[in-house]
Amino acid sequence: NAGVTQTPKFQVLKTGQSMTLQCAQDMNHEYMSWYRQDPGMGLRLIHYSVGAGITDQGEVPNGYNVSRSTTEDFPLRLLSAAPSQTSVYFCASKQPSSGGYEQYFGPGTRLTVT
Amino acid sequence: GEDVEQSLFLSVREGDSSVINCTYTDSSSTYLYWYKQEPGAGLQLLTYIFSNMDMKQDQRLTVLLNKKDKHLSLRIADTQTGDSAIYFCAEAGFQKLVFGTGTRLLVSP
Repeated sequence: NAGVTQTPKFQVLKTGQSMTLQCAQDMNHEYMSWYRQDPGMGLRLIHYSVGAGITDQGEVPNGYNVSRSTTEDFPLRLLSAAPSQTSVYFCASKQPSSGGYEQYFGPGTRLTVT
Repeated sequence: GEDVEQSLFLSVREGDSSVINCTYTDSSSTYLYWYKQEPGAGLQLLTYIFSNMDMKQDQRLTVLLNKKDKHLSLRIADTQTGDSAIYFCAEAGFQKLVFGTGTRLLVSP
């Protein structure tokens, strides 16, 4: 198993550009999520999905769109990049279980918006 | 709402014990977690504790939970230079994890 994979690892955008951060998992997990990590603020939830065709907003959804057409993939789209979106983005997945939210994280995408 | 707080920095010498502390606000959290993040990497689950437990031990790691004070701690025995990383405390909220700001642990030889 590759686990949770993310591409690209690094990206530089100009203000106003759009792009898609890719996330895939090969563990057949139903739940997938996107977090952003900013210095001194920990990780904050952007969007999540509890299964194909179902998505919902997290704590900081503005400026981001998601879709979930397959179990494996959960792309994050930046519609019009802003400098405030400079951050490290992590995708995570889990299989719902009675054991709580044991999430598996991808390696992250470091995004800079100039 | 949910909030999780941690001190930002801890420095220890190799071989000493490290204690990383965390306070949380949501008393309904059923699970509390410790994640480790090494430079340039994602988060790795270290251990977790169920809210009806006071203590959990896993090799060099000991988790203590004081539910009355909403205080969680992670003790690393015989700390090694390879333990240098950022450690995040997290509580399970509705469909999400709520993370603390992370504690950067620096282990010097």
